[in-house]
Amino acid sequence: GAVVSQHPSWVICKSGTSVKIECRSLDFQATTMFWYRQFPKQSLMLMATSNEGSKATYEQGVEKDKFLINHASLTLSTLTVTSAHPEDSSFYICSAHQVAGNPSAYEQYFGPGTRLTVT
Amino acid sequence: AQSVTQLGSHVSVSEGALVLLRCNYSSSVPPYLFWYVQYPNQGLQLLLKYTTGATLVKGINGFEAEFKKSETSFHLTKPSAHMSDAAEYFCAVRNPKAAGNKLTFGGGTRVLVKP
Repeated sequence: GAVVSQHPSWVICKSGTSVKIECRSLDFQATTMFWYRQFPKQSLMLMATSNEGSKATYEQGVEKDKFLINHASLTLSTLTVTSAHPEDSSFYICSAHQVAGNPSAYEQYFGPGTRLTVT
Repeated sequence: AQSVTQLGSHVSVSEGALVLLRCNYSSSVPPYLFWYVQYPNQGLQLLLKYTTGATLVKGINGFEAEFKKSETSFHLTKPSAHMSDAAEYFCAVRNPKAAGNKLTFGGGTRVLVKP
């Protein structure tokens, strides 16, 4: 159980275009999903927290108009990179937090990641 | 604010040898602590976690970690390395009293296993 999927697994796009990445919790409901960015050989950097039915909370330094996040249901969050540029090329990973359960059993379940290359 | 420091960005071990990955944290409250493993071009998989209770935590694939409050450490060990343990390992911390359930990650340690 607790599987998170991402689509696409990789994408190449031209500079100036927009790209949408989907994050789905397949067998559980997630009120909260997180979006991370990971540069080669570096750690994960939290970009934003996505809450179902409300606006996302962005980390300091992350442009909300460039990285649009929508969490329309308890199983789906999307990240849209608008007007992509080569510097947006990165590995994007989402995670989902299960709704119910003992808080001490808290766990984020991670998706397999999406590699974005902007040419 | 909380932070995580992983000593050593790269660790090389021989197959069958002890694996020791170091993690120290800074937190204003007793934290929840996690170790994740990441294989190339994949997401993160939870190895183990500490929330409350017993300070020695056993995880998957033969890994274990011990929470030492006095040393603010949560080092990860495995008695005998296997070739399949070659991966990137991340230590993470969460403040259980903070809203948002955010994780803070260390810089990661890449493990190389020599035959």
